[in-house]
Amino acid sequence: AQRVTQPEKLLSVFKGAPVELKCNYSYSGSPELFWYVQYSRQRLQLLLRHISRESIKGFTADLNKGETSFHLKKPFAQEEDSAMYYCALSGGYYGQNFVFGPGTRLSVLP
Amino acid sequence: GAGVSQSPSNKVTEKGKDVELRCDPISGHTALYWYRQSLGQGLEFLIYFQGNSAPDKSGLPSDRFSAERTGGSVSTLTIQRTQQEDSAVYLCASSLTSGRGGDTQYFGPGTRLTVL
Repeated sequence: AQRVTQPEKLLSVFKGAPVELKCNYSYSGSPELFWYVQYSRQRLQLLLRHISRESIKGFTADLNKGETSFHLKKPFAQEEDSAMYYCALSGGYYGQNFVFGPGTRLSVLP
Repeated sequence: GAGVSQSPSNKVTEKGKDVELRCDPISGHTALYWYRQSLGQGLEFLIYFQGNSAPDKSGLPSDRFSAERTGGSVSTLTIQRTQQEDSAVYLCASSLTSGRGGDTQYFGPGTRLTVL
């Protein structure tokens, strides 16, 4: 069965410190992995997807198939990064089996 | 352009009543998803539409839940005989397609359902 885990419910870091939001998954095939973010009073929105290999707002994430992980990293956290972050997995031939992790609330302290 | 819209934004109902939640996807998006977010919980996948068809209904919590999509556009999620445990935020999302590559899902603002 597909599963996404995010071990930290809350992560607090100081501004300028590195941040890593952990995500592990279980899936028998080749999944697509995503990070979605929800800022206060805003809609859930895509942050990045592993197939794009892009950096958005200074965040990067590398898919490690050996460790079945897709951790989100940023070298220098900013206060505006404070939000709820969800790791998500898309599987199935048509990509219809979408599973979200429980989310990690990131709080960047001044 | 207009994003995904959902109505109503808030719904308070009494236990045992039926409710209908509506989702208007982005024009041209063929895939539509429904999720539920309960207090303190993550996002729970409910159902997905490709066009008007729902290939997988296994995420619906019980037979009190049903969903339909007409004209490849608007979708309604119906909950019959609501229970208090149905209280949650119901989110709708749409994407251009649902093929491999996992098209970006665009989310609506959600409907907050409270069952008294």
